[in-house]
Amino acid sequence: DVKVTQSSRYLVKRTGEKVFLECVQDMDHENMFWYRQDPGLGLRLIYFSYDVKMKEKGDIPEGYSVSREKKERFSLILESASTNQTSMYLCASSPGTGWTSAFFGQGTRLTVV
Amino acid sequence: ELKVEQNPLFLSMQEGKNYTIYCNYSTTSDRLYWYRQDPGKSLESLFVLLSNGAVKQEGRLMASLDTKARLSTLHITAAVHDLSATYFCAVDISGGSNYKLTFGKGTLLTVNP
Repeated sequence: DVKVTQSSRYLVKRTGEKVFLECVQDMDHENMFWYRQDPGLGLRLIYFSYDVKMKEKGDIPEGYSVSREKKERFSLILESASTNQTSMYLCASSPGTGWTSAFFGQGTRLTVV
Repeated sequence: ELKVEQNPLFLSMQEGKNYTIYCNYSTTSDRLYWYRQDPGKSLESLFVLLSNGAVKQEGRLMASLDTKARLSTLHITAAVHDLSATYFCAVDISGGSNYKLTFGKGTLLTVNP
């Protein structure tokens, strides 16, 4: 089974802190994604990466950055957390070619206080 | 900008009844995905629809794709309580590399005894 593992299920951080969300996948997938899920808004793409050290902005990149130093690991960084970044964050991965679905991690619920 | 609209956003059904969830999208694509999300859980892939006229069925769920109408449907037959979940459609216009899945806002389905 494909596994996408996010390092934390729940996080509480203070405003202004630098926050790291980690994601690891074990299927040698080329593509990795970070989404944010909010009630009534569905899933919105923050950043994605199609190769090591490669990244592209999604639809809502402001306030976030990412890092992909190894193929299996994709990190989302909140440079200075704000209360409007309180949300559920979902990591996903998919193969570089073909038409299979993306596989999702279990999610990290981040609360910024 | 690609827009993906699902309706209804909320659906309360009686067990044994049939219903359809609709997913409209605004840009040409021939790849559409359906996901299920249980409360507090991550997204699970249900169907991958890759061409016009594609139809996939799994148990009481059947998904179809009409690329000319830019419409996908998820039909529920003889609903049971276990189908209660949020269902998302997602459209990929990246060329098959899953670079950018754009999600609908989701349909919260509640099946009542």
